[in-house]
Amino acid sequence: DVQLVESGGGLIQPGGSLRLSCVASGFTFSNYDMHWVRHVAGKGLEWVAVVGAAFDTYYADSVRGRFTISRENAKNSVDLQMNTLRAADTGVYYCIRDREGAFDSWGQGTLVSVSS
Amino acid sequence: QSALTQPASVSGSPGQSITISCTGSSNDIGAYKYVSWYQHHPGKAPKLIIYDVSSRPSGVSDRFSASKFGDTASLTISGLQAEDEADYYCCSYTRSNTWMLGGGTKLTVL
Repeated sequence: DVQLVESGGGLIQPGGSLRLSCVASGFTFSNYDMHWVRHVAGKGLEWVAVVGAAFDTYYADSVRGRFTISRENAKNSVDLQMNTLRAADTGVYYCIRDREGAFDSWGQGTLVSVSS
Repeated sequence: QSALTQPASVSGSPGQSITISCTGSSNDIGAYKYVSWYQHHPGKAPKLIIYDVSSRPSGVSDRFSASKFGDTASLTISGLQAEDEADYYCCSYTRSNTWMLGGGTKLTVL
């Protein structure tokens, strides 16, 4: 079975940094694009970033220049480095496997709270 | 980037059918087959229910169907059941090599 387990969330002050990690199992990790999507209370789901199987990366306008997505195939992991955090970044962050252009497997999510 | 446009809420009685629209542009929905739909029960991880505009993953009820015409995609749920009450999101790949989600639609089963 596909499993995605996120970690690294927590309470952080505005302007701070946080690094989320996601460890995958149950599939050949190196063959898949991997995404981060966040759920913001009262606003819904927002796509954040993707790292392709070829290590290409793309970002939502709202996080470009502040967030960095990366992967390490040897560890079956995908990370999201989040800098200069804002209150608007508060939400549950999900790690997701992309299968042929759809988000077919989701982790359980990790909560990020940006507040002073 | 702005979100795809969905109605904020829809409702229906058990057994009825409802349709949720998702409007984008020629840069996303109108350009690609990579349109998908997700069901999200609060406190749980979202679940893929439709991919490639109208295909259902294994295990998803055939009461869920979807289509696309031009820049607008639609999700139809037939034979509404209480368990269908959830938030529904559309999603599309875009010409910018990014992904865009809809604002979400809250389905209430009366």
